[in-house]
Amino acid sequence: SQQGEEDPQALSIQEGENATMNCSYKTSINNLQWYRQNSGRGLVHLILIRSNEREKHSGRLRVTLDTSKKSSSLLITASRAADTASYFCATNTFNDYKLSFGAGTTVTVRA
Amino acid sequence: DAGITQSPRYKITETGRQVTLMCHQTWSHSYMFWYRQDLGHGLRLIYYSAAADITDKGEVPDGYVVSRSKTENFPLTLESATRSQTSVYFCASSPGTPHGELFFGEGSRLTVL
Repeated sequence: SQQGEEDPQALSIQEGENATMNCSYKTSINNLQWYRQNSGRGLVHLILIRSNEREKHSGRLRVTLDTSKKSSSLLITASRAADTASYFCATNTFNDYKLSFGAGTTVTVRA
Repeated sequence: DAGITQSPRYKITETGRQVTLMCHQTWSHSYMFWYRQDLGHGLRLIYYSAAADITDKGEVPDGYVVSRSKTENFPLTLESATRSQTSVYFCASSPGTPHGELFFGEGSRLTVL
């Protein structure tokens, strides 16, 4: 099934540093979304980037999409302790509204 | 409060028992989904629904049954629970526009002994 794969699996950074994680997928997509999950909680939508977009910003988040490489990256700038969470990319195709999720990147921000 | 709620949040059951996880949303979203989350597997889609009385299988539907008689409810039933169904289950909903963002519940943690 269509699925994104995040890299790295885990990331530990100091507060104030930037965090970058990547997502690769297998087939052509309609859009790609990023979600955050705090420990023991449900997933929360962060940002959606469409297949005809190359970059999108939302606050301290920057998402890029390279459809030729079938990859996306999520950058969190000036990280805070509250950014400690797991981050998932999710994709769907043009003829299907189901989202397929990757295994996620666990980000730990050290104070 | 408006939103999407799951119940129970925690459940321990025994092998062979029937278990129903409830999901209720107050937004009247058309689309609803059930995912399970296991370490190393991310989220895997079990069943989904585009509207009341319309359901379809996802990636891992075996051992599960769903129904959607009302738009706001989407219960997931494990007919005869197995240990491999120990997992965290998430319900999600999405507005009428396809390919949009999902709104997730807080999850139901199920342990099958």
